[in-house]
Amino acid sequence: AQSVAQPEDQVNVAEGNPLTVKCTYSVSGNPYLFWYVQYPNRGLQFLLKYITGDNLVKGSYGFEAEFNKSQTSFHLKKPSALVSDSALYFCAVRVAYGNKLVFGAGTILRVKS
Amino acid sequence: GAGVSQSPSNKVTEKGKDVELRCDPISGHTALYWYRQSLGQGLEFLIYFQGNSAPDKSGLPSDRFSAERTGGSVSTLTIQRTQQEDSAVYLCASSLQDTTPNQPQHFGDGTRLSIL
Repeated sequence: AQSVAQPEDQVNVAEGNPLTVKCTYSVSGNPYLFWYVQYPNRGLQFLLKYITGDNLVKGSYGFEAEFNKSQTSFHLKKPSALVSDSALYFCAVRVAYGNKLVFGAGTILRVKS
Repeated sequence: GAGVSQSPSNKVTEKGKDVELRCDPISGHTALYWYRQSLGQGLEFLIYFQGNSAPDKSGLPSDRFSAERTGGSVSTLTIQRTQQEDSAVYLCASSLQDTTPNQPQHFGDGTRLSIL
């Protein structure tokens, strides 16, 4: 069965510094990976998805994700963090058609000015 | 354009009562999903609709939970005889027809359900 791990409950970073939110996955077959962000009292907002063959995927709001097949990782990155990036971030994996998303536990990102 | 709409946004009810939660997906989206988000369990899949049929109901936690979708659009999640452990945020998502597995799902803001 597919699974996703987000090893950090919380990531703290200073505004203007680069940020990384980690995600590792376990799937049988091709991985279909996604990052979502959740602001307080809101639903999940799609940030980006893995596209087969692209090791660096660009998404919304300046976020990007680095795919590493040998390390089974799909880390979310941003070159320069903003205070407004503070939120809860979820990594998710989906296998095969019509299948559900399986989410990691989520990582709280706090960006301090 | 309009996103996924869920109602009510908040629902407080007494233990033992039935509740109905509504989801109006993005127009043209044939796939619809229900998830539950709670502190202890994180984000859990409940049920998936393709059109009006539900090929995957594997996440429904008990027979008190049911869902239907009519006209390939609006979906209703019903919880009968609510229990305190049903307290959670219920999220609905929709996506275009599942011709490719990397089709993103788009989420509503959820219904926060509190059982007293």
